Amino acid sequence: GENVEQHPSTLSVQEGDSAVIKCTYSDSASNYFPWYKQELGKGPQLIIDIRSNVGEKKDQRIAVTLNKTAKHFSLHITETQPEDSAVYFCAALLGGGATNKLIFGTGTLLAVQP
Amino acid sequence: GAGVSQSPSNKVTEKGKDVELRCDPISGHTALYWYRQSLGQGLEFLIYFQGNSAPDKSGLPSDRFSAERTGGSVSTLTIQRTQQEDSAVYLCASSPGTSGITDTQYFGPGTRLTVL
Repeated sequence: GENVEQHPSTLSVQEGDSAVIKCTYSDSASNYFPWYKQELGKGPQLIIDIRSNVGEKKDQRIAVTLNKTAKHFSLHITETQPEDSAVYFCAALLGGGATNKLIFGTGTLLAVQP
Repeated sequence: GAGVSQSPSNKVTEKGKDVELRCDPISGHTALYWYRQSLGQGLEFLIYFQGNSAPDKSGLPSDRFSAERTGGSVSTLTIQRTQQEDSAVYLCASSPGTSGITDTQYFGPGTRLTVL
């Protein structure tokens, strides 16, 4: 079936360094790719998303890049802070909108060391 | 304003019992989703409600799972004859419904279900 692979599963960085999380997807019709941040005991929260008509999107310290040819997309967090520590999930819309399903990656636990 | 709320926050039940999980979406949101999050896994889509349309039930793992949304607002996810593999966090999300699936989904805190 369709799936989204996410790497790494855990990532530890020093405060101020950059963090990069990568995802690959299998459904070539996917055209919407959100990223969610989940803090302990809370539900996921959308932090940024990208659609297939653009290759990069940036919002302050967070950026997402998309390579549709290679079917992969990445989350970049610059100048990391301890409050960035959380689990991050990528997702891809199955069927390019023909369905209502977001297929999620398995998550990356990011730890930012002060 | 108030976000998505879910109850109970934790539920422990015995194998074979039925459970009901409740979701109160953000007021005015027409779309509502249920997901399951197992330990170390991503979110697994279960069911999607949009307004008065027939729900998309394609993610329900078995006929022991069902969900209702009464009056276009509150939703209940029911699991009958629970099994140990049903243990997970069940997350509900709502969205305005104006852009379909690409609307921002706002998640509740989840219900942690443990089946003994």
